Amino acid sequence: DAGVTQSPTHLIKTRGQQVTLRCSPKSGHDTVSWYQQALGQGPQFIFQYYEEEERQRGNFPDRFSGHQFPNYSSELNVNALLLGDSALYLCASSSPKQGYTEAFFGQGTRLTVV
Amino acid sequence: DQQVKQNSPSLSVQEGRISILNCDYTNSMFDYFLWYKKYPAEGPTFLISISSIKDKNEDGRFTVFLNKSAKHLSLHIVPSQPGDSAVYFCAASAFTKTSYDKVIFGPGTSLSVIP
Repeated sequence: DAGVTQSPTHLIKTRGQQVTLRCSPKSGHDTVSWYQQALGQGPQFIFQYYEEEERQRGNFPDRFSGHQFPNYSSELNVNALLLGDSALYLCASSSPKQGYTEAFFGQGTRLTVV
Repeated sequence: DQQVKQNSPSLSVQEGRISILNCDYTNSMFDYFLWYKKYPAEGPTFLISISSIKDKNEDGRFTVFLNKSAKHLSLHIVPSQPGDSAVYFCAASAFTKTSYDKVIFGPGTSLSVIP
């Protein structure tokens, strides 16, 4: 079992550009959540996808969007990048239908906006 | 508005002693609580959890205590080992009608276990 995998691991983008981050959930998991972790802070919830739909959303602007595919993998897209978007982006997968199962995290994508 | 708080950014403990990490929450709808451990350059790893119907859950060296009236929980590590040195995140979740669980994290406490 490969667990949660994210790509790429590191990325450098210029202000104003767009970026796409990818996540493959742990085998058997159908729900994917995305988090942003700024330096020295805890992960902040961006949104959650289930059955290819955005089910919940945190306090992030519309520049942050996502998608979930039929195989449960997911993408996070950020448009019009700002310097403040520099952070570690974490993907977590879970299967809430099975009850309170803990979320498994990937190693994250470190995004640097210059 | 920070719904999950960890007021100690860092903690140092001698190897073999007890480590106590504290967490407070403000949202009374939270009914499931988790602790995650994070090493540098890795994603958070699940450690232990507790449902609001319990006040204690134990797993080996790790015990989580929940005081619902005080909206407070704590993680005890006994005995502490150097490999426990990491950032510990307290997290909370609320069961919704659709069972989708959004997990809210605290800012973390950096634990250093000194050999």
